[in-house]
Amino acid sequence: AQSVTQPDIHITVSEGASLELRCNYSYGATPYLFWYVQSPGQGLQLLLKYFSGDTLVQGIKGFEAEFKRSQSSFNLRKPSVHWSDAAEYFCAVSRPNTGNQFYFGTGTSLTVIP
Amino acid sequence: EPEVTQTPSHQVTQMGQEVILRCVPISNHLYFYWYRQILGQKVEFLVSFYNNEISEKSEIFDDQFSVERPDGSNFTLKIRSTKLEDSAMYFCASRGQGDSPLHFGNGTRLTVT
Repeated sequence: AQSVTQPDIHITVSEGASLELRCNYSYGATPYLFWYVQSPGQGLQLLLKYFSGDTLVQGIKGFEAEFKRSQSSFNLRKPSVHWSDAAEYFCAVSRPNTGNQFYFGTGTSLTVIP
Repeated sequence: EPEVTQTPSHQVTQMGQEVILRCVPISNHLYFYWYRQILGQKVEFLVSFYNNEISEKSEIFDDQFSVERPDGSNFTLKIRSTKLEDSAMYFCASRGQGDSPLHFGNGTRLTVT
């Protein structure tokens, strides 16, 4: 069965510091991979996605993620965090070429301190 | 940019009552979904809908739940007899054809008292 693991429940970083949020997946083949962000009281906004090709993908708000097949990982990174990045971050996977469900990780809550 | 809209943003209901959560997906999208997020927990899949029928549902989506696309724009989730444990944030999502990501609405917070 497909699963997504986000090992870090909560991360605190200083503004301006770099950030890496971890995501590992369990799947029989390479799935489609996504990162979503949820600000308090808001819906889920897509940050970036990976389908195929270049394993380093760029997203909105200065985020990037790298797909590493050997590690079954899709970690999210940002070189310099802004206070407005404080939010909940969800990694998700889906099966290619289907209209079926997405599987979400449990999320990582990011706190940014000044 | 087109977006998924959900109404109401917050619904309070008494246990045993029926509720209908409404969603307007992005107009040219073909796949529709409902997810829920109990406070502090992960986003959980409920159901997917394509070509006017349910394509997949989770074990959460029992007989108390139903979905409907009553017209060309709305997509609704009905809970027939709400329970306390149905209190959650319910997200509607839609996607287009092929390899496209989900677009989520801002959610409806359902509180069952």
